[in-house]
Order: sequence, then structure tokens, then C-alpha cells
Amino acid sequence: GENVGLHLPTLSVQEGDNSIINCAYSNSASDYFIWYKQESGKGPQFIIDIRSNMDKRQGQRVTVLLNKTVKHLSLQIAATQPGDSAVYFCAEIQGAQKLVFGQGTRLTINP
Amino acid sequence: NAGVTQTPKFRVLKTGQSMTLLCAQDMNHEYMYWYRQDPGMGLRLIHYSVGEGTTAKGEVPDGYNVSRLKKQNFLLGLESAAPSQTSVYFCASSYVSDTDTQYFGPGTRLTVL
Repeated sequence: GENVGLHLPTLSVQEGDNSIINCAYSNSASDYFIWYKQESGKGPQFIIDIRSNMDKRQGQRVTVLLNKTVKHLSLQIAATQPGDSAVYFCAEIQGAQKLVFGQGTRLTINP
Repeated sequence: NAGVTQTPKFRVLKTGQSMTLLCAQDMNHEYMYWYRQDPGMGLRLIHYSVGEGTTAKGEVPDGYNVSRLKKQNFLLGLESAAPSQTSVYFCASSYVSDTDTQYFGPGTRLTVL
């Protein structure tokens, strides 16, 4: 069935390096995508979103890229900091009131 | 604003017991949602509401009921808890539509023995 998934379950990076978290989706009709950050013991927190009429969107230290041709979404975090350690979820809107989450990628920062 | 709050934070139930999880939001959001999160999986939608007095089924509604008697509150009920319902439950709300950003509560960790 339709699904949103992540290429890697874990990612370790050195503090100060850039992080890239990837996500594949299969519903070509989806037109809205969101990245959430979830710290241990907390609920997901909105990071950045992108609509299907865009291929790139930038926020503060984060950039989301959307490649509809290959149904791929990525989150780039610049100058990764210890506070960036968390699980990152991509999610897409599949039809009305249906936000579908991927499994998540755990980002760990090495000092 | 407190945002989205959930009570209780933790609960342990025995199989067959019932309980109600309360979600409250003070952002005047129309849409509210209940998700469950299991290890190694993303969040799955249980039920949602598009306004006061309305509810609808999500991806995994079986074994749960919900009510939205007041705009700011969304209740999730388990009539007869089962071990398969052991999970972390998250409530979320959004302003006027599903494409608006969903704001999440801190979660309720439920264990059913």
C-alpha cells in the first residue's frame, strides 16, 4: 500500500557537520510534506514543511528538498548541534485529514 | 498559551479495565487528532475531529472511542483495555485544516498488563 518510509533508521554525525536525513514516499498524489523532530519523552515538534509545487524550502539551519520525480524528500541540518539529537519523522498528507508518518530516523551527535 | 496538554502522563491498566485520556488545547484550533506511537513505528492516526461535536475514524480506530463535546477538549476512551493497546498516545491539534501544522502534546504512556 501507500507508505512513507525512511532509508536509514539511525544517523550519526560529528558536531558541527551537516546532517542529511532522507525519506521516500510512494503516494504521487500527496501535495504536502512535513518534517517533525521528536526528542526523548516529548511529542513531535514541527520543523519545516513543503508543498508539492516547490522543490526547496529553507528555514533556520534547516532545508527541505523535494524531488517529485523520484518521490524523495530530504531534511538538511546545517552545523549540527547536540540539541539536534532526536528522532526525525517525515510525514505527508494523503487525502483529507490523513497525515501519514514514516518510521523515523534517530540522529545522534558525536562530540 | 499552554498549547496542547494531555492527562495523565502515565497509566498502567489491567486487561479489561477502562480509562479516558484527556487532551486540551488553548489555541482555538478546529481540528484535533489522537495518534498512537509504537516502538520502531511512526505515529498512526486513531481518530480525529474537524470541529466540536464531530468525530471520525483514522487508520487504527478499533478498540477506541472519542468525543469532542467542547472545542478545546478531545477525549480518547478505551472501554476494555487489551495488551495490544500498550503504547504512547499523542494528541495533536491544527487550526482549520489537515494541511495546517499539527501541534502535539507531550504524550501519555499507557501500559496494559
